[in-house]
Amino acid sequence: GNSVTQMEGPVTLSEEAFLTINCTYTATGYPSLFWYVQYPGEGLQLLLKATKADDKGSNKGFEATYRKETTSFHLEKGSVQVSDSAVYFCALKSNTGNQFYFGTGTSLTVIP
Amino acid sequence: EAGVTQFPSHSVIEKGQTVTLRCDPISGHDNLYWYRRVMGKEIKFLLHFVKESKQDESGMPNNRFLAERTGGTYSTLKVQPAELEDSGVYFCASSRRLAGATQETQYFGPGTRLLVL
Repeated sequence: GNSVTQMEGPVTLSEEAFLTINCTYTATGYPSLFWYVQYPGEGLQLLLKATKADDKGSNKGFEATYRKETTSFHLEKGSVQVSDSAVYFCALKSNTGNQFYFGTGTSLTVIP
Repeated sequence: EAGVTQFPSHSVIEKGQTVTLRCDPISGHDNLYWYRRVMGKEIKFLLHFVKESKQDESGMPNNRFLAERTGGTYSTLKVQPAELEDSGVYFCASSRRLAGATQETQYFGPGTRLLVL
């Protein structure tokens, strides 16, 4: 079946620290992988995506590389800002269906 | 373009009552999805419409949940009667129909926070 496992939160970092949020997946077929972000009081927003192995998605200083050999899609950012405080969701979409499979979300708080 | 909108943003009801959630997708998006996040857990798929037709409703928890999308525009999700375990955040998402399913990006609404007391 399809599933996503992401690191438990909450995560608290100081401004300018390095961020990694781990995400691993199990999937049938060849999935696409996504990171969504939910800022306080807002809906889910697509942060980045990768549709095939070795692709790197990037946006707003965040990056994630689709690693088929380790079935991972870890989210990284070199220097976080207070405005990055949000809940981050890793998700996959199988090429055999339309629904998304999400992880449990990781809450990030960045302190000045 | 306007994003996906959902109404209400919050709803507090008593067990046994009925609640109807509404989702307005992005104009021109044939695909419409409902998801639910129960407290602290993953966001789970409920169902998928293509225009007015239910394409996949495998995630609907039971027959107390009824989703409709008359005319293929907005959608409603009714819970009747509501139970305590129905509490959570209900998200709606929409997307265009693309030839390659893997290329699809779903755009999410802000969610409706439902609390059943």
